[in-house]
Amino acid sequence: GEDVEQSLFLSVREGDSSVINCTYTDSSSTYLYWYKQEPGAGLQLLTYIFSNMDMKQDQRLTVLLNKKDKHLSLRIADTQTGDSAIYFCAVGGYYSSASKIIFGSGTRLSIRP
Amino acid sequence: EAGVVQSPRYKIIEKKQPVAFWCNPISGHNTLYWYRQNLGQGPELLIRYENEEAVDDSQLPKDRFSAERLKGVDSTLKIQPAELGDSAVYLCASSLDMGAKNHEQYFGPGTRLTVT
Repeated sequence: GEDVEQSLFLSVREGDSSVINCTYTDSSSTYLYWYKQEPGAGLQLLTYIFSNMDMKQDQRLTVLLNKKDKHLSLRIADTQTGDSAIYFCAVGGYYSSASKIIFGSGTRLSIRP
Repeated sequence: EAGVVQSPRYKIIEKKQPVAFWCNPISGHNTLYWYRQNLGQGPELLIRYENEEAVDDSQLPKDRFSAERLKGVDSTLKIQPAELGDSAVYLCASSLDMGAKNHEQYFGPGTRLTVT
């Protein structure tokens, strides 16, 4: 079935760039998302990219998509303490006769002073 | 504009007891989703509504879980009876619809259920 994989943890120094990676299995995925979840809160949509795009930039966020390798990444420039959270990669499309979004297990980003 | 509202935020019950969660989506959003998020995992879809109709409930354990969205606005998710393995965060989300331009989902804060 559809699967989305992420590394569990990432630690970066404040001010550096963070790069969170994700791989997925289903090439029919149409939309690819990045969500942020802070403690005790729901998921907040950060950005998304359509499968016909290679890159999308939105202020400090850059999303890169390599369709051939089914690899998605999120780069956060000038990482701040407020960026500490769990980041979920998610892919959306038409799977098993239904439109749905499949989430990865999340990458916990921690910031070192 | 108010976001997705869920209540209660926390619930502790003993196994075999019933429990219900309530969700009010963003005004005007036709599509409503219930997800379950286990500790250390991403959300998994339980059921999706288009207005009043449940269009995808393939992952809903129908022996003990039920959901309704009678007037196509707010929704209730029920578990009866609850089991220890049901301990999780139950998230509600909404979107305008599932069309190409309106697929963005907005999540509520969730209900953290602990079954003892």
